[in-house]
This record gives sequence, C-alpha cells and structure tokens, in this order.
Amino acid sequence: AQSVTQLGSHVSVSEGALVLLRCNYSSSVPPYLFWYVQYPNQGLQLLLKYTTGATLVKGINGFEAEFKKSETSFHLTKPSAHMSDAAEYFCAVSESGSARQLTFGSGTQLTVLP
Amino acid sequence: EPEVTQTPSHQVTQMGQEVILRCVPISNHLYFYWYRQILGQKVEFLVSFYNNEISEKSEIFDDQFSVERPDGSNFTLKIRSTKLEDSAMYFCASSSEGNQPQHFGDGTRLSIL
Repeated sequence: AQSVTQLGSHVSVSEGALVLLRCNYSSSVPPYLFWYVQYPNQGLQLLLKYTTGATLVKGINGFEAEFKKSETSFHLTKPSAHMSDAAEYFCAVSESGSARQLTFGSGTQLTVLP
Repeated sequence: EPEVTQTPSHQVTQMGQEVILRCVPISNHLYFYWYRQILGQKVEFLVSFYNNEISEKSEIFDDQFSVERPDGSNFTLKIRSTKLEDSAMYFCASSSEGNQPQHFGDGTRLSIL
C-alpha cells in the first residue's frame, strides 16, 4: 500500500518569498510522484512529475521538486511566490507500471500575502 | 491544449435515484479514471479503465457503481441507487498510456438530497 503525507494544510508566504510545500510518501515499490494544483472551481492541473532519472524535476510556473529516496520526500519549491500561485496543491504517488491509481495527500492551501 | 470535459458541472439528485456522470477524455488517450473528493477530504481513486474493461478499482467502487465507454468519445460513471454519502466532487481523468500523467477534468459536484 502507498500513502502520502503533506505537512501543513495551510501555508502562507509573502509575495516574492520562497515557497516550500512538503510531501512525504510511502511505497513498497519504486514510486512515480506528482504535484497537482487546483484553482477554485477547477480541476487538478499537473505541475510536475518524477518517474525515473534526474531527481530534480522542473515543472510549470517556475515550480520544481526534488525526489529524495533516503528521506522518502518530494517537496515542492518555488524561489519567488506570485499572487497567482495562491491555490491548493496536492502531492500524489503511484506505483510504476500501467494504469496505476494515484494516491493523493490531503492537500496544502497556499496563500500569498501582498 | 486538449482537455478533459465533464458534464454536468453540478448535479442534484434525490437519494435512491440513479445518476450518470459524463466525461469526454482527451481524444487520443486510452486510459480513463474516476476519482472523488468528499468535501474536506482527500481525493480518492475509484476506478481505472482500459481496453473496454476495468483495470483497477478501489473498495469504494462497489456494486452500486459502474463505468462504461458507450462510444468512441464518452466515458461515464453510473451510480445505481445514490446515498447521502455519495455527495462529493467527482473527477474524470485520462492518460495517453498507463504510465503517463493523468489529466483531470474540472469535476462534477454531486449533491444527494
């Protein structure tokens, strides 16, 4: 079984400050890891993914995440927050392989203060 | 950019009634999924579908639920006899291959009265 823990259900940062959203996972097999963003009244939009290869992955809107196997973590960062980054962020894990279900964390609501 | 579309955006149904939620996946995608999110809770996997059959399903996906791809473009989720606890946001997703990222629709909010 796999699971995802997102530390901090709410994170507030000032505009221009570093964004750090934490995600830890557990998986009995090599995982695929994802970050999705959800804006109000919209669906889940893929920010970035890790499957194999380079452990630092870059996504859309200036976000990146680093897969650290020893820490079972996949934290999401952005050097400088923008007001438009305010949204809910979900970390998800799936087993490698075909048509695998995503297991989501409980989400982190990011607020960006002016 | 191609997207997954879901209809309706909001469905209100009396308890015990059947409901069908509709999804149009991205046109060249072959793998289809349903998830749900009860208010204040995590997004939960319901079912995955490939080659006209269910690939995986969760414990939530009991005999009251069924999925169908009635034609080359639609993917539906049917709940046979709705319960109050079925009230949730239901998300459809699709992927081009099984190990590719899933693309989500905007969801259908299902309210059971």
